[in-house]
Amino acid sequence: GNSVTQMEGPVTLSEEAFLTINCTYTATGYPSLFWYVQYPGEGLQLLLKATKADDKGSNKGFEATYRKETTSFHLEKGSVQVSDSAVYFCALSVTGGGNKLTFGTGTQLKVEL
Amino acid sequence: GAVVSQHPSRVICKSGTSVKIECRSLDFQATTMFWYRQFPKQSLMLMATSNEGSKATYEQGVEKDKFLINHASLTLSTLTVTSAHPEDSSFYICSAREAVTDTQYFGPGTRLTVL
Repeated sequence: GNSVTQMEGPVTLSEEAFLTINCTYTATGYPSLFWYVQYPGEGLQLLLKATKADDKGSNKGFEATYRKETTSFHLEKGSVQVSDSAVYFCALSVTGGGNKLTFGTGTQLKVEL
Repeated sequence: GAVVSQHPSRVICKSGTSVKIECRSLDFQATTMFWYRQFPKQSLMLMATSNEGSKATYEQGVEKDKFLINHASLTLSTLTVTSAHPEDSSFYICSAREAVTDTQYFGPGTRLTVL
């Protein structure tokens, strides 16, 4: 079946630090990969996505590269801000899977001054 | 981006009563909507896929008679938790698929507390 594994949190960083949140996946077929962010008290928002191998998704300074050889989609940001504090979810969907998303367990990020 | 709303944002009810949660796509039409349940500090669990004009498809282990889903229009899906019990207390989230970009947009969620 399909599954997503992401690093456990919480992750606590100082402002302007480099961020990496690891995400690996198992899927039948060729999945599309997503990162969603959930700010406190809000719903999930799509942060970025990649639909095929070697694609790089990017948004708001975050980026992730679809690595088929390592089945990974790690999220990175060069310099985090306090406003980036949120829960980040890695997810996948497979073609022919009815557009269903399979989520990882989420990683809480806390950025401090 | 596309906006999805949910109503109510939180609801408290007595055990044995039924609760209806609405999910609306505000600026796009959604032939497919999804209902998720999120437990504290855990991921989202897909409950069912709601297709406009047809019956919902439920994930394994989700009671369809317990969680009634209706998708009567291209912008509205409803989830009714029937005869709610304390173990149904959770955060319920809907999403709507925007066909042009093939992207799911999520509602802000509904916190259900059953006393």
